Amino acid sequence: AQSVTQLDSHVSVSEGTPVLLRCNYSSSYSPSLFWYVQHPNKGLQLLLKYTSAATLVKGINGFEAEFKKSETSFHLTKRSAHMSDAAEYFCVVSEANTGFQKLVFGTGTRLLVSP
Amino acid sequence: DTGVSQDPRHKITKRGQNVTFRCDPISEHNRLYWYRQTLGQGPEFLTYFQNEAQLEKSRLLSDRFSAERPKGSFSTLEIQRTEQGDSAMYLCASSLEVLNTEAFFGQGTRLTVV
Repeated sequence: AQSVTQLDSHVSVSEGTPVLLRCNYSSSYSPSLFWYVQHPNKGLQLLLKYTSAATLVKGINGFEAEFKKSETSFHLTKRSAHMSDAAEYFCVVSEANTGFQKLVFGTGTRLLVSP
Repeated sequence: DTGVSQDPRHKITKRGQNVTFRCDPISEHNRLYWYRQTLGQGPEFLTYFQNEAQLEKSRLLSDRFSAERPKGSFSTLEIQRTEQGDSAMYLCASSLEVLNTEAFFGQGTRLTVV
């Protein structure tokens, strides 16, 4: 069965500094990987997705992630944090070529951004 | 608003009562999913519909839970004889019938069982 491990429950950065949120995955098959963001009182929003095309994936709001099969990692990065980036981030895996989009979420990383 | 809509947004109920939640997916989406998110955890898959057919159910979905999507449009999730452990955010998502397409999530219904 597929799973994801988010290595940090909380990450604190200063505005303008880089962001790194770490995720390792486990999958028996070729995985599809996603990062979702959850702001308070808002629905989950897709930041980016990897589906076996380019290993470096660019998403919305300046976020990107790199799929590294040898390390089974899919870390999320951003060059410069903004106050509005403060939220809960979820790394998500779904088995490719399944009949539907059954998503398996990590436990989340809360990103705190200080002025 | 053309996103996924859930109603109610919040529900407080006494233990043992039945509750029902509604989800209205994006209109052209034929796939609909229910997830449950407890405090400090990521969402967990509960069940999935393609049109009106319920095609998969998680072991998390006990006999007290039932979900329907009678006309392949909106869906309801009913919990009978609620327990305190049912307290959670219940999330609905919808997507097109395209491999690896994005699932769009609603804002959820927060259930508190007292």
